[in-house]
Amino acid sequence: AQSVAQPEDQVNVAEGNPLTVKCTYSVSGNPYLFWYVQYPNRGLQFLLKYITGDNLVKGSYGFEAEFNKSQTSFHLKKPSALVSDSALYFCAVSPRRGSSNTGKLIFGQGTTLQVKP
Amino acid sequence: KAGVTQTPRYLIKTRGQQVTLSCSPISGHRSVSWYQQTPGQGLQFLFEYFSETQRNKGNFPGRFSGRQFSNSRSEMNVSTLELGDSALYLCASSWADRESAYNSPLHFGNGTRLTVT
Repeated sequence: AQSVAQPEDQVNVAEGNPLTVKCTYSVSGNPYLFWYVQYPNRGLQFLLKYITGDNLVKGSYGFEAEFNKSQTSFHLKKPSALVSDSALYFCAVSPRRGSSNTGKLIFGQGTTLQVKP
Repeated sequence: KAGVTQTPRYLIKTRGQQVTLSCSPISGHRSVSWYQQTPGQGLQFLFEYFSETQRNKGNFPGRFSGRQFSNSRSEMNVSTLELGDSALYLCASSWADRESAYNSPLHFGNGTRLTVT
């Protein structure tokens, strides 16, 4: 079965420190991978995606993610956290073409990032 | 460019009633997906429409239905509401034509918060 795991319910980090939000996936074949962020009472905002190529993907607001095929991971990172980064982060996977999964993302359970001043 | 618009933002309904939620996608986007978000189950895919056709469907009972109009606007309907239907319903649009159906980022609206009493 296809799945996405975010092993940490919450990540706490001090402002200015680097942050990592972890994600592992279990999908047959080579998937497309995404990170989204959700602020309170809002929808999800797209941060970045991995399709193919360079394993380090750069996205919005200074975020980046590292794809590791052998570990089936796609961890979200930022060199220096801001208090305004505090939000709920979701990792998601989309199976590649060939499967009947258009428009469907499989989401992890989400990780709450708390950045303290 | 205007984002995805969902109306209404909040709804309170009674068990057994039915409800219709509306979504206007980003101009030019022809794919509209619907997701249910709950604290217990997380984000779950309901269905996806493209050019007025349901292209994909999640594992929800037949009480959940949707449609898409020629201007790409979409509605979803839930009949015979149950307490467990209380959730945030998110609509997302994307530029997901046949070639990019699997790797186009989803652009989410702010959701409709449905409470069933």
